[in-house]
Amino acid sequence: EIVLTQSPATLSLSPGERATLSCRASQSVSSYLAWYQQKPGQAPRLLIYGASNRATGIPARFSGSGSGTDFTLTISSLEPEDFAVYYCQHRSDWLYIFGQGTKLEIK
Amino acid sequence: EVQLVQSGADVKKPGESLKISCAASGYNFTPYWIAWVRQMPGKGLEWMGMIYPGDSDTRYSPSFQGQVSISADKSINTAYLQWSSLKASDTAIYYCARHPRVSDGGHYFDYWGQGTLVTVSS
Repeated sequence: EIVLTQSPATLSLSPGERATLSCRASQSVSSYLAWYQQKPGQAPRLLIYGASNRATGIPARFSGSGSGTDFTLTISSLEPEDFAVYYCQHRSDWLYIFGQGTKLEIK
Repeated sequence: EVQLVQSGADVKKPGESLKISCAASGYNFTPYWIAWVRQMPGKGLEWMGMIYPGDSDTRYSPSFQGQVSISADKSINTAYLQWSSLKASDTAIYYCARHPRVSDGGHYFDYWGQGTLVTVSS
């Protein structure tokens, strides 16, 4: 069973800074990785699919990269509304797997 | 506009049954898988299972197989998640989410319901 490990668990940054979030798979997932953002009290929102494709309506400051086992979500310049929890996700053999999440907090 | 609107919060006692719903609108319901995702208090996301409303094909996570039942009524564009005997450990927020019909970007969920808080307490 594939395991997705996100790091760091918590990232403390200031608005305007660049954020780099990591998701590592225990075995290759090709480019089949998605990223979601979840704000407190809200449902998750799809940001990135296929490792690097922005979902509809997602600002260009969000970008995804990687393939195989190592993936990165980058937020080029943090806006106040970007502070949230971020999850990566993959499907393997009809099992949908989420990483444990990275909390992006205001420094 | 695609929308998934879930039923409201519920409070139940251990051993009681419950069925929560997810009403879809803004798209053709039948050819899109609908999944259910659990989020326990302060925790991450867990995929429970999903249903294809067109033929009611259903897949479950091994962690939830036998614990819950997923169904759909395509005549009213609604998916359901059901428990026959709730436990305190079922206390969580439950989300429904749509899987896109065809994507070369893999398998993911493009639209989510607002979540249903289920509290199980004696």
